Amino acid sequence: EADIYQTPRYLVIGTGKKITLECSQTMGHDKMYWYQQDPGMELHLIHYSYGVNSTEKGDLSSESTVSRIRTEHFPLTLESARPSHTSQYLCASSDSRGGTGELFFGEGSRLTVL
Amino acid sequence: AQSVTQPDIHITVSEGASLELRCNYSYGATPYLFWYVQSPGQGLQLLLKYFSGDTLVQGIKGFEAEFKRSQSSFNLRKPSVHWSDAAEYFCASSGGYNKLIFGAGTRLAVHP
Repeated sequence: EADIYQTPRYLVIGTGKKITLECSQTMGHDKMYWYQQDPGMELHLIHYSYGVNSTEKGDLSSESTVSRIRTEHFPLTLESARPSHTSQYLCASSDSRGGTGELFFGEGSRLTVL
Repeated sequence: AQSVTQPDIHITVSEGASLELRCNYSYGATPYLFWYVQSPGQGLQLLLKYFSGDTLVQGIKGFEAEFKRSQSSFNLRKPSVHWSDAAEYFCASSGGYNKLIFGAGTRLAVHP
């Protein structure tokens, strides 16, 4: 049973549109992450947060932005989508009190920009 | 720098055959090690994890993995593969600070 939820699961939009991918977790985890994954490819960390009002860029440069106003919510926004943004976006969370780094993943949001 | 290598990009096995997926890590100390599975269009599900203690770890769906410090490896095994095991498998390690490093993944295909 997933305790981390992503919406929408699938989104097809035109170039130039603003989109927000939602991610929420009910586990009380302090850390949250966004990964980008092209089909059949590895995962690339694009954003992470260690707590409320904390956001950092990941290993892969991304034009998207994130915010962390509430512990349970970590939305990702693209101000002006382009075809190069077409990808799957995976949200994850972890509990730093465990200290192991285990991540819990949502089911992903697959974005297609025409 | 910490890294995870999965040497096999794609593996095909027959249903009922045994399976071993390779994973090598690079880290100064003993890392936390994980195997995740991803079905098409889905997120990642944790199969098993190693933190310390017994080097043979049992996971869900009949999978196990063995940590070998001397070889810096954490290979995933299953004695008899089922068609439903076809998926992408990711090895990952965490050296602390809760930042997981993933391998590139191994795509498993299962022949009937």
